[in-house]
Parts: sequence; C-alpha cells; structure tokens
Amino acid sequence: KAGVTQTPRYLIKTRGQQVTLSCSPISGHRSVSWYQQTPGQGLQFLFEYFSETQRNKGNFPGRFSGRQFSNSRSEMNVSTLELGDSALYLCASSLAGGGSTGELFFGEGSRLTVL
Amino acid sequence: ELKVEQNPLFLSMQEGKNYTIYCNYSTTSDRLYWYRQDPGKSLESLFVLLSNGAVKQEGRLMASLDTKARLSTLHITAAVHDLSATYFCAVFPIQGAQKLVFGQGTRLTINP
Repeated sequence: KAGVTQTPRYLIKTRGQQVTLSCSPISGHRSVSWYQQTPGQGLQFLFEYFSETQRNKGNFPGRFSGRQFSNSRSEMNVSTLELGDSALYLCASSLAGGGSTGELFFGEGSRLTVL
Repeated sequence: ELKVEQNPLFLSMQEGKNYTIYCNYSTTSDRLYWYRQDPGKSLESLFVLLSNGAVKQEGRLMASLDTKARLSTLHITAAVHDLSATYFCAVFPIQGAQKLVFGQGTRLTINP
C-alpha cells in the first residue's frame, strides 16, 4: 500500500515568489492535513481538508492557502514568499470518520528554502 | 487553547540504560500519539493511545496514557543506538479546533 506522496521534495525560491506543493494521500484516506515544521516554532498546523472542504485552519496569514480535489489529492500554495517561510512542509492523511483512531500518516515532506 | 509540553527536550544517554520522556497537555483529550523523526526525515507513527490507562509496547519502547493527569510517558528500556531520534507526542483536543497539537519534541541521543 503506497504511503503519502509529496512533491516536490526540495525547492528553492526567492522572496516575493509563490510556490505550490502537492500531496497524494494514502488510498482510501479522505482527510489531508498540512503542517509546517521549523527549528524555532516546531510543528504547526496549517489546515485540514476533508471531502474537498477545509474543516480546520491554523493561525497562518492568508498567503497560505490550500485545496483538495475530488480524488483527495491536495495542494497548498504560499504566495509572496518571505524568508520566514523556509521550512519543511509536511502533509498527513488519515481515514477520519466514525471508527477511525484519527492517526495521521505523514509524507516525506517538501523542504522549501526562500532566499 | 491546547498546549503540549514535553520534557526533557534534550536527552543524552548511554546504551543499556532506561529512561522516560514525559508529555503533559493542558486540556481534555482522549487521543494521544507518539511519533519518531530521524534527521531530515518525516514523522513515523509509533503509538496511538485512545483511552485512560492505555499502555502499548513495541520492542524497547513503551507508551502509556493517564487522561486524568493529562500525562503520557514514553519509556525506553535498555536503550540502543538505533533509537537515537527526535520523539514527538501529539494530542487531539476533545473540544475546540480539531487539529493535532504537537509537543516541542525530545531529541534523544544514545551513545555507545
């Protein structure tokens, strides 16, 4: 069974640019969450999508956005990049719904460097 | 707002020794998770604890949950070098925003 797949794995951007990251969840998983990991702030929740709807959102500025497609694949976008956006962006999928333990399965992450 | 605190944040120990990592959280929850992260890698799920008194063991690691004390522990028995990694606990709140809140992580280094 394939795991969570994130692309690209590494990318370098300059300030002011925008970036789109992609995540394909485990087959059958309908919930996709995004997290940002930095040395200073640790792991912080960005947003969660379920059946193409954003169910929860973290405390990030509007430059951070996302969406989910009908096949449960998700993308997140960061516009007008700032140096502080340099981070490892992790996508996680889960079964969600009744009977689920809520366990999240994480992808390898997309490491973004903003110069 | 839910806060999750781990201690210690850094732990250096010798092979063969035992130690415990503590995870305290501030509001009611019935779901707690432990993850492992190797440098430059993603998060690997270790344990899912879903009820008060839950205890799970895998190899040299054992995790437990006390929902009344809002405390989980990750116990390492007879540590080996391969267990060197950063360990995170994470909690889903019963009320409020349904998002997984992580502790700061405990960086564990096991020396031969």
